[in-house]
Order: sequence, then C-alpha cells, then structure tokens
Amino acid sequence: AQTVTQSQPEMSVQEAETVTLSCTYDTSESDYYLFWYKQPPSRQMILVIRQEAYKQQNATENRFSVNFQKAAKSFSLKISDSQLGDAAMYFCAYRSANNNDMRFGAGTRLTVKP
Amino acid sequence: DAGVIQSPRHEVTEMGQEVTLRCKPISGHNSLFWYRQTMMRGLELLIYFNNNVPIDDSGMPEDRFSAKMPNASFSTLKIQPSEPRDSAVYFCASAFEGHGPYNSPLHFGNGTRLTVT
Repeated sequence: AQTVTQSQPEMSVQEAETVTLSCTYDTSESDYYLFWYKQPPSRQMILVIRQEAYKQQNATENRFSVNFQKAAKSFSLKISDSQLGDAAMYFCAYRSANNNDMRFGAGTRLTVKP
Repeated sequence: DAGVIQSPRHEVTEMGQEVTLRCKPISGHNSLFWYRQTMMRGLELLIYFNNNVPIDDSGMPEDRFSAKMPNASFSTLKIQPSEPRDSAVYFCASAFEGHGPYNSPLHFGNGTRLTVT
C-alpha cells in the first residue's frame, strides 16, 4: 500500500517570507497524482495544488509551487510571500491512477507570524 | 456550486446510541468518499463509492459502521451502537471520474464533528 510521510509536524514562517513543507511517499506505481490540501481552523479541506506524476514541470498556483522529484519520491510545497491567511494544517496526498482512493500524510501545522 | 454538503455539523450522543451522518455530493460527481479524522490516526479512508456502488470498504473499522448510497445525490454513514472511541471528525468528499485514470481532486464537505460520551 502507498504511504505518505510528512516529517514536519509543525512549521513557522514570518509574514512575507517563504516556507517549504516536505512530503515523501512510497509507491511501486509509475502513474499517480499528488495533491496538497489546506485545512484552516474552519475545518474545511481546500485543494491548494495538484501535480501529475508524468509531468516533469513543477505545478504552480500563484504563491504556491511544488518541487516534484519523482526519483526521490518527494513532493514539497513552497509558499512564497506568506500571508496570515496561510496559517493552517497542510496535508500531502497521493492518488493512484488505477485505484479510486486518496491517501493522506499526517499533516504539517503552519504558523504565520506577523 | 453548493459544494459537498454534510449534516449535521456537530453531533453529540451517548454511548450505545445510533448515529447517522449525511452527505450530499456535488451534482454530477460519480465518486463519493467517507473519511475519518482524529489526532492519533490523521485522515483515514473508511469507504468509497463509484456510481453509487461501494468499491472498497476495507477501511470501515467494525461491523458497527455501515454506509449506503441509495442514489447519486445522497449518502449516509451510520454507527450503531456508537462508542466513545468513535469520536472524530467525519468527512465526506466527492469527485468526478471519467473513463481514464483516477486523477481528479476530491472536493470535501465541512465535516461532522462527532462526540460520543
């Protein structure tokens, strides 16, 4: 079974600075998709960014970008120009192209300091 | 787009009682997922449906848990009888899957916080 590991339970960043959240995964598959979700105190799970494993180009969504290293099975999230509203739990997720479920990491709690 | 709608938002019940959680997926989505979130175990997939059919219920913890999807716009997760260790946030999520690979993101509801005393 695929596993997703987030090794940083907590991270902190100064407002306007950049922070990188780590994620690694274990799989024997070659075709899959990776996601980052944000969970603010409101509890809702919000999709931040998505990466297809077959694409070499790293996905970018405004201030959010990923560093996808397929050989290393690494999928980190970079948040640039951090804002107070970015404070939340961030979950990395793996979805097999052949299996209709999604597996999540344990999450990283991000604090943004004013 | 109303998003995935879950009810109730909070549920407090006594041990031994039956609990029913409800979910309305996004219209047009054909896959539905139930997750449980706890501090100790994080987000766990309980069961998922595709075209109203349960595909994998291996994550359902015990026979006390059951899930149904009688039609494309409604699903329930029932716990009978409930126990204190069932206390958690239960999320419903939906996605649209075509005939290709499973590559769609999941859209989550706001979750139901269940407390069993």
